[in-house]
Amino acid sequence: AQSVTQLGSHVSVSEGALVLLRCNYSSSVPPYLFWYVQYPNQGLQLLLKYTTGATLVKGINGFEAEFKKSETSFHLTKPSAHMSDAAEYFCAVTPGGYNKLIFGAGTRLAVHP
Amino acid sequence: DVKVTQSSRYLVKRTGEKVFLECVQDMDHENMFWYRQDPGLGLRLIYFSYDVKMKEKGDIPEGYSVSREKKERFSLILESASTNQTSMYLCASSPAGTGEKLFFGSGTQLSVL
Repeated sequence: AQSVTQLGSHVSVSEGALVLLRCNYSSSVPPYLFWYVQYPNQGLQLLLKYTTGATLVKGINGFEAEFKKSETSFHLTKPSAHMSDAAEYFCAVTPGGYNKLIFGAGTRLAVHP
Repeated sequence: DVKVTQSSRYLVKRTGEKVFLECVQDMDHENMFWYRQDPGLGLRLIYFSYDVKMKEKGDIPEGYSVSREKKERFSLILESASTNQTSMYLCASSPAGTGEKLFFGSGTQLSVL
């Protein structure tokens, strides 16, 4: 069965510091992987996704993630945090079929001055 | 701008009531989904639909049913609301196929007293 583990339910960084949010997955088939972001009182928005091809994926707002099959990981990074990046971030995998997504528990990112 | 609209932002119901949560999308998407979001658990799939009048159980369907009579509308029904169904409910839609972006509504915070 597919599953997603996000290490760290809360991450706090200083403005301008590197953001690293960790995601590991398990999948019995080649996975499609996603990162979504949820700002307060809003639904989720897609940050980026990996389906096939290049393993380094660039998304919106300066975020990127690298698919590492050997490590079953899809960590999200941003070189320099901005106050507006404060939100909850969800990693997700699709086991295929009807585009169902299995989500991780989420990581809340706090950015302080 | 594409939209997934959930009928209520906040809802308060009594134990044992029948509750209807409505979701409408204006993108002519084939797939529609209902998730519930709980702190520390992320999003869990309740039901999804890949076509009009078609539905499939997700990971936590107990206590819920759904209806999709028209392509744009997907309703979640709590037959007899219980306090453990107090949660944030998120509706999403996507085109057919795997690896497609999900578009989310803003959510309905349901409190069952």
